[in-house]
Amino acid sequence: QKEVEQNSGPLSVPEGAIASLNCTYSDRGSQSFFWYRQYSGKSPELIMFIYSNGDKEDGRFTAQLNKASQYVSLLIRDSQPSDSATYLCAVKPDYGGSQGNLIFGKGTKLSVKP
Amino acid sequence: DTAVSQTPKYLVTQMGNDKSIKCEQNLGHDTMYWYKQDSKKFLKIMFSYNNKELIINETVPNRFSPKSPDKAHLNLHINSLELGDSAVYFCASSQVTRGVIQETQYFGPGTRLLVL
Repeated sequence: QKEVEQNSGPLSVPEGAIASLNCTYSDRGSQSFFWYRQYSGKSPELIMFIYSNGDKEDGRFTAQLNKASQYVSLLIRDSQPSDSATYLCAVKPDYGGSQGNLIFGKGTKLSVKP
Repeated sequence: DTAVSQTPKYLVTQMGNDKSIKCEQNLGHDTMYWYKQDSKKFLKIMFSYNNKELIINETVPNRFSPKSPDKAHLNLHINSLELGDSAVYFCASSQVTRGVIQETQYFGPGTRLLVL
């Protein structure tokens, strides 16, 4: 059973701080990893994807991947109240296998306090 | 010019009824998906489909069936609705190209189903 684990939170950070969201996955063969943001009552929207070990930066967001530890994280610098949402980690478990099915974690709810 | 659209947005119905949810994407993608998000916000794949292959999550009851009239549409039919079917159903699409491992899925706005 392929699983993706996230701390459900809520994670509360003050405005301007760094928010750190973590995710672990069980399938060592997983090749690509995604972070989606979901506002309450809305659909998930992609923030970043990463597939190489190390860091990937996009504006205030940095994704970090460590395949040896089966761990992926998302850092949000200079957190804003508008970043308050649920962040979903998703893993594509099988490169070249069945078409792009993603396995999602249960999400971490982030609250950024003004 | 919505990329992935779903209808209806809300669906309230009685137990035992049969209902359909429609999904259309105008992104030219070759693969479409249905997800179920339960009350605890857990998003779980139900089906993925392109013109060659239907993959069914083995935990999905056979009361649920996807139907694709063409590449841009993937509808979800649900027979004999049960209380536990109440959830938000999301359609998504992506372009799955062999050798490209970071294809992005784009989600529709969701259909909120309530079974009474």
